[in-house]
Amino acid sequence: AQTVTQSQPEMSVQEAETVTLSCTYDTSESDYYLFWYKQPPSRQMILVIRQEAYKQQNATENRFSVNFQKAAKSFSLKISDSQLGDAAMYFCAYRSAIGERAGGTSYGKLTFGQGTILTVHP
Amino acid sequence: DTGVSQNPRHKITKRGQNVTFRCDPISEHNRLYWYRQTLGQGPEFLTYFQNEAQLEKSRLLSDRFSAERPKGSFSTLEIQRTEQGDSAMYLCASSRPGTGGTEQYFGPGTRLTVT
Repeated sequence: AQTVTQSQPEMSVQEAETVTLSCTYDTSESDYYLFWYKQPPSRQMILVIRQEAYKQQNATENRFSVNFQKAAKSFSLKISDSQLGDAAMYFCAYRSAIGERAGGTSYGKLTFGQGTILTVHP
Repeated sequence: DTGVSQNPRHKITKRGQNVTFRCDPISEHNRLYWYRQTLGQGPEFLTYFQNEAQLEKSRLLSDRFSAERPKGSFSTLEIQRTEQGDSAMYLCASSRPGTGGTEQYFGPGTRLTVT
């Protein structure tokens, strides 16, 4: 079974500064996706960024980027130019892709880490 | 699209009562997932539907839990004989058919409190 670990229960950053959230995972699979989701207080979870394991290039979405180290099974999220609206709980998640490249489909269930609460100080 | 909706948003019930939650996915999404999230933790997978077929169930889904998705549209999650340990946020998510790390869109959740 796959596991996802976020070792930082809480992080804080000053507005306009950069912060990095850590995530490690354990899997025996070679093909998978990794995601970072954001859950603002009392609001719906939304996708921030995704990474395909077979792609070596790190994903980037505007101020959000990842550092994907497949051999180390590490997947950190960097938020640049932090904004007050970035304050939320952030979850790292894993999804198997086994079977998809052969033309099948995987069920797509997500395995989440415990989350990191990010506070942004003005 | 109007997003994933869940009803009710909050439910308080006494131990031993039955409760039912509803999820309406985004209209063209054939995949539907239920997750449970306890306070301060990440969501845990409960079950998955592709159209009306329930294709995967977690061991977390005890015999007291049942989920349906008639006609492949909305889904219901029923908990019978609720226990205090069932108190949690129940999240529903839906996604389009296909591969490629298709994004799951989450609803706002139903917060269950069992007293």
